[in-house]
Amino acid sequence: GNSVTQMEGPVTLSEEAFLTINCTYTATGYPSLFWYVQYPGEGLQLLLKATKADDKGSNKGFEATYRKETTSFHLEKGSVQVSDSAVYFCALSASSGNTPLVFGKGTRLSVIA
Amino acid sequence: ETGVTQTPRHLVMGMTNKKSLKCEQHLGHNAMYWYKQSAKKPLELMFVYNFKEQTENNSVPSRFSPECPNSSHLFLHLHTLQPEDSALYLCASSQLRGGDPYEQYFGPGTRLTVT
Repeated sequence: GNSVTQMEGPVTLSEEAFLTINCTYTATGYPSLFWYVQYPGEGLQLLLKATKADDKGSNKGFEATYRKETTSFHLEKGSVQVSDSAVYFCALSASSGNTPLVFGKGTRLSVIA
Repeated sequence: ETGVTQTPRHLVMGMTNKKSLKCEQHLGHNAMYWYKQSAKKPLELMFVYNFKEQTENNSVPSRFSPECPNSSHLFLHLHTLQPEDSALYLCASSQLRGGDPYEQYFGPGTRLTVT
């Protein structure tokens, strides 16, 4: 079946450090890929997405590229801020489009000043 | 109201109580979801409703009873819960478009504590 594996947290970085959160997936067909972010006390928000191989999703300085050859969708940001402290979830949508998203277990990021 | 709203935001209940969680989506979507989020399992899908019909129940105990009276509203009725049911309950909605990628939109959640 479809699955998503993302790096275990927590991840602690200093402000302005480079961020990478790894995400790999297993899926049949051609899934769409997503990163969601959950700030403290809130629900999940869509951060970015990519719908086909080699697509790059980007938002708020975050980027992720859909790599079919390595079945990966790693999240990156060049310079993190304290306000980026949150839990990040990688997710996929099966190519049929009519099933719920499959989520990874989440990675908690803490950015210290 | 916009997006997905959930009430109440916080709930404390005893094990013998009966309560209900409410979710409303203002996005015109046709699918709604209940998730449980706890320290042990970060995001567990509980129920899925497509066009008001339940299409998925992930082996959820019967003390959780969902209800979807229309495509905009979703309830989770709770009775005789256990302390291990304490968690954040998240509601989400999406628009199924048949073959297109779709996003799920989440509410802020209800923080439930069972005493």
